[in-house]
Amino acid sequence: DTGVSQNPRHKITKRGQNVTFRCDPISEHNRLYWYRQTLGQGPEFLTYFQNEAQLEKSRLLSDRFSAERPKGSFSTLEIQRTEQGDSAMYLCASSHPDRSKINSYGYTFGSGTRLTVV
Amino acid sequence: AQTVTQSQPEMSVQEAETVTLSCTYDTSENNYYLFWYKQPPSRQMILVIRQEAYKQQNATENRFSVNFQKAAKSFSLKISDSQLGDTAMYFCAFMRGNTGTASKLTFGTGTRLQVTL
Repeated sequence: DTGVSQNPRHKITKRGQNVTFRCDPISEHNRLYWYRQTLGQGPEFLTYFQNEAQLEKSRLLSDRFSAERPKGSFSTLEIQRTEQGDSAMYLCASSHPDRSKINSYGYTFGSGTRLTVV
Repeated sequence: AQTVTQSQPEMSVQEAETVTLSCTYDTSENNYYLFWYKQPPSRQMILVIRQEAYKQQNATENRFSVNFQKAAKSFSLKISDSQLGDTAMYFCAFMRGNTGTASKLTFGTGTRLQVTL
């Protein structure tokens, strides 16, 4: 168990460019979550998957955002036509389906991808 | 919709002292879970402690304990014998508990705790 891995750790992009982030969850975890955290704020839910199915999307996830988890393992989050307001830390987390094995509903978070749009 | 409020943006405590971080929440759910997460400067979120709403007994984890007041919708975190390594952002979070497995978290805005010598 190597934890939840997110790549890249940092991304600087010009406004209008597309960016893609990757999250590799803990292998036995079937749920994967994406959150966005702006400076000085708590994380805000974006979307989550159970296996390959995207079960819920926040209204924060505009049409420029898309997330996939094609084989129920890793996930990608793509932002098209980035705007300065997209600058934030993007956090990924995963959880185990068996409530007895995930310290009672706690997640495992990755270290995040910090996006800066200039 | 659920909301989580942390009214203390910053707190400071001396090493070895005790500090209490406040959290209130609003929900119409009866079955839910509450969490405190710690986010050190390295930014990885770490679970500190959790509480099931149906349990009356307050959760404890070593130096960390909670005061869960369900009727008042209050969930404070007490850190005893504070250590320098406790310096971090602390987030209170809510999760609905009727889904049978983990689901999305609703976070508060956080309290920045500084432990000083």
